[in-house]
Amino acid sequence: DAGVIQSPRHEVTEMGQEVTLRCKPISGHNSLFWYRQTMMRGLELLIYFNNNVPIDDSGMPEDRFSAKMPNASFSTLKIQPSEPRDSAVYFCATLAGGGTDTQYFGPGTRLTVL
Amino acid sequence: QKEVEQNSGPLSVPEGAIASLNCTYSDRGSQSFFWYRQYSGKSPELIMFIYSNGDKEDGRFTAQLNKASQYVSLLIRDSQPSDSATYLCAAGTNSGYALNFGKGTSLLVTP
Repeated sequence: DAGVIQSPRHEVTEMGQEVTLRCKPISGHNSLFWYRQTMMRGLELLIYFNNNVPIDDSGMPEDRFSAKMPNASFSTLKIQPSEPRDSAVYFCATLAGGGTDTQYFGPGTRLTVL
Repeated sequence: QKEVEQNSGPLSVPEGAIASLNCTYSDRGSQSFFWYRQYSGKSPELIMFIYSNGDKEDGRFTAQLNKASQYVSLLIRDSQPSDSATYLCAAGTNSGYALNFGKGTSLLVTP
């Protein structure tokens, strides 16, 4: 299996622009998580889907952030408009479910907002 | 706000020594606990999970859980330079499979 796939791996954009991060989960994994990692705040859970349904979005910082999972094979995290404080590494992680608790992380997207 | 606390380090140990990494958590409802390793510029990868009080061993790694004290630890025996990384402690929440992560402890194993 190719593991969790994220794109792009690096994104540099200017303040005010829309940014879309993409994630393809491991086939058969039922749960998908979006995290943000910074030196100051560590690894923070933004949103968690189970069977394509958002379960917990309490970590989404504000209305500028939105996430979708239209099917079991694809999820997006969108930031509109982006701000410099959104600069971070964004990880997608997936989990098989059915009593298995291991989350498998993708390689991450390093976002820089100028 | 449910917290998972770790000393940021760096923790420096000589090669071959035992490295001891510690973590405390505030949510008494947490039932599952995880240790992830993260190399610089890479994504976290699971080392161990523990659900019950006591010790759990896997090769050179031992996880310890004390729910009464809300304390989790990871021991790495015979530390190797390749163990140099940041170790993230995570606790389960009451929101399905969601985890709260600590900020991590940086471990440096010196040859």
